[in-house]
Amino acid sequence: QVQLVQSGSELKKPGASVKVSCKASGYTFTTYAMNWVRQAPGQGLEWMGWINTDTGNPTYAQGFTGRFVFSLDTSVNTAYLQISNLKAEDTALYYCAREYTSGSDWGQGTLVTVSS
Amino acid sequence: NFMLTQPHSVSESPGKTVTISCTRSSGSIASDSVQWYQQRPGSSPTTVIYEINQRPSGVPDRFSGSIDSSSNSASLTISGLKTEDEADYFCQSYDNTNWVFGGGTKLTVL
Repeated sequence: QVQLVQSGSELKKPGASVKVSCKASGYTFTTYAMNWVRQAPGQGLEWMGWINTDTGNPTYAQGFTGRFVFSLDTSVNTAYLQISNLKAEDTALYYCAREYTSGSDWGQGTLVTVSS
Repeated sequence: NFMLTQPHSVSESPGKTVTISCTRSSGSIASDSVQWYQQRPGSSPTTVIYEINQRPSGVPDRFSGSIDSSSNSASLTISGLKTEDEADYFCQSYDNTNWVFGGGTKLTVL
């Protein structure tokens, strides 16, 4: 069955960087786009953008340019989200989500906490 | 750009039927696909409806989706409510290829 397994929680200081991984299994990784979604504590879902897993071309939503980078390692079926120059307001759950023909599959989420 | 507006919360009793709306601010609700996600406390979202009214395998037929062009809204209807349906529900559509989420609706089953 399809699984998206994300890396574990991270505690970072302001100004640091973090890299979240999303390892896919159960399907051909390069067939479907991978989206990234942020959920701040107690808040709704916010789409960050997506990466074409065939070409590696990323698309970033407004508000997620500059400090946010999507990347891939297709040899291990893994998508990555890197956030640099972390700020307190980056504290959130970050989800990867595979969009396919019958909806989307989601990872379990990675909690990133930014605190001094 | 457009927004999707959902009621902040709804509540209903077990066995009853509830409908959650998702109103598009501009452009036609019918012009793009609409998905609905269920998010139980402490869990990831899961798809309960895709392409306006399609259910993924494993989602009970108590869940149904529709659109109403007159109100420019999509709706998620859950019949025969169970306590396990208590969750946050999010609608999602597209602005070109960009995902747009509604703010979410907290469903309480009491």
